[in-house]
Amino acid sequence: GGIITQTPKFLIGQEGQKLTLKCQQNFNHDTMYWYRQDSGKGLRLIYYSITENDLQKGDLSEGYDASREKKSSFSLTVTSAQKNEMAVFLCASSINRQSQNTLYFGAGTRLSVL
Amino acid sequence: QEKVQQSPESLIVPEGAMSSLNCTFSNSASQSIWWYQQHPGKGPEALISIFSNGNKKEGRLTVYLNRASLHVSLHIRDSQPSDSAVYLCAVRDSGTYQRFGTGTKLQVVP
Repeated sequence: GGIITQTPKFLIGQEGQKLTLKCQQNFNHDTMYWYRQDSGKGLRLIYYSITENDLQKGDLSEGYDASREKKSSFSLTVTSAQKNEMAVFLCASSINRQSQNTLYFGAGTRLSVL
Repeated sequence: QEKVQQSPESLIVPEGAMSSLNCTFSNSASQSIWWYQQHPGKGPEALISIFSNGNKKEGRLTVYLNRASLHVSLHIRDSQPSDSAVYLCAVRDSGTYQRFGTGTKLQVVP
């Protein structure tokens, strides 16, 4: 088995601030994902990475940057936090990007912007 | 772009009853479908997946996929209070990534 660790668990930011979320996995999976979960809107993909140093945009990439410098880690940056924004950011990984591979999720980072 | 819709939004069932959750998708070429369970404060966890038309049974879970009607359902037999959670349907076609529905909140009452 393995685990996905997301840090921090809770993040409180100020409007306009740049905020970075981190994700580590020890599954030795090739592919990693960042999803955003808003109440009533399900999960929406922000970025994914097929392998180290690869980045692919999802449906919600505007306002975010991502970085995959190592196979085991994937970070997400909110480039300018929006006032009153509240969401959970979920990191996930899969063995590779084959269509039948299950996603394994971390517990999430909960963001609040004042 | 694949659209995934789930119904009902919330469901309350008595302990021991069958829970039935529904999911519709927009692309008949979608290759893979998963159901995930999410407890409060936790990330989603995969429960069961199906890749071809028909049904699949694992323990108390049964999933039915009908590609012609773009519909998949999850049935939980003998529902327990510990099954109370949000259930997410995810669909993927060959070229992209899993897209998720908005979820069904299941509450099983003793």
